[in-house]
Amino acid sequence: GAVVSQHPSWVICKSGTSVKIECRSLDFQATTMFWYRQFPKQSLMLMATSNEGSKATYEQGVEKDKFLINHASLTLSTLTVTSAHPEDSSFYICSARDGGQGNTDTQYFGPGTRLTVL
Amino acid sequence: GENVEQHPSTLSVQEGDSAVIKCTYSDSASNYFPWYKQELGKGPQLIIDIRSNVGEKKDQRIAVTLNKTAKHFSLHITETQPEDSAVYFCAAVPRGTASKLTFGTGTRLQVTL
Repeated sequence: GAVVSQHPSWVICKSGTSVKIECRSLDFQATTMFWYRQFPKQSLMLMATSNEGSKATYEQGVEKDKFLINHASLTLSTLTVTSAHPEDSSFYICSARDGGQGNTDTQYFGPGTRLTVL
Repeated sequence: GENVEQHPSTLSVQEGDSAVIKCTYSDSASNYFPWYKQELGKGPQLIIDIRSNVGEKKDQRIAVTLNKTAKHFSLHITETQPEDSAVYFCAAVPRGTASKLTFGTGTRLQVTL
């Protein structure tokens, strides 16, 4: 159980285009999802917290108009990188928090999406 | 806010030996401490976690210990195998932060034959 999927697993796009990444919890309801960014050989950097049915909360320094987050259902959150530029190239990872009983602090991570902007 | 330090940054052990990774945290209100294993090109995988009301937890070859007074926690892997080679991250969740994880900087574990 506790499986999180991401789609696509990798994407290459031209500078100036927008890219949407999907994050799904497959076997549990995720009241909260998180979006992270990871550069090579570095730790995960939290970008935003996404709660179902409400606006996302962005971390300091993360442009909300650049990284649009939508959490329309208890199993799906999307991250759209708008007007992507080469510096947006990175590994984007989502996680989901199980809103059910038990340890609600536990986050389960997706497999990540490698974004390359040319 | 919470700050998590992790050591060592790299660790090389021979197959069959034990590996220990240590983390310290700054916020005494933190009450949940997960450990994640990340293989190259993949997302982090939860391998073990511990809550602040427990001092030690074990799952087969993996164990985690927590010292609340000293604000540090450690991951212990016994009888290491080549497939244990990966980057390991510790994390802490302060109470009342809606489960936001603060990660350590990671430890690259290499298990050699």
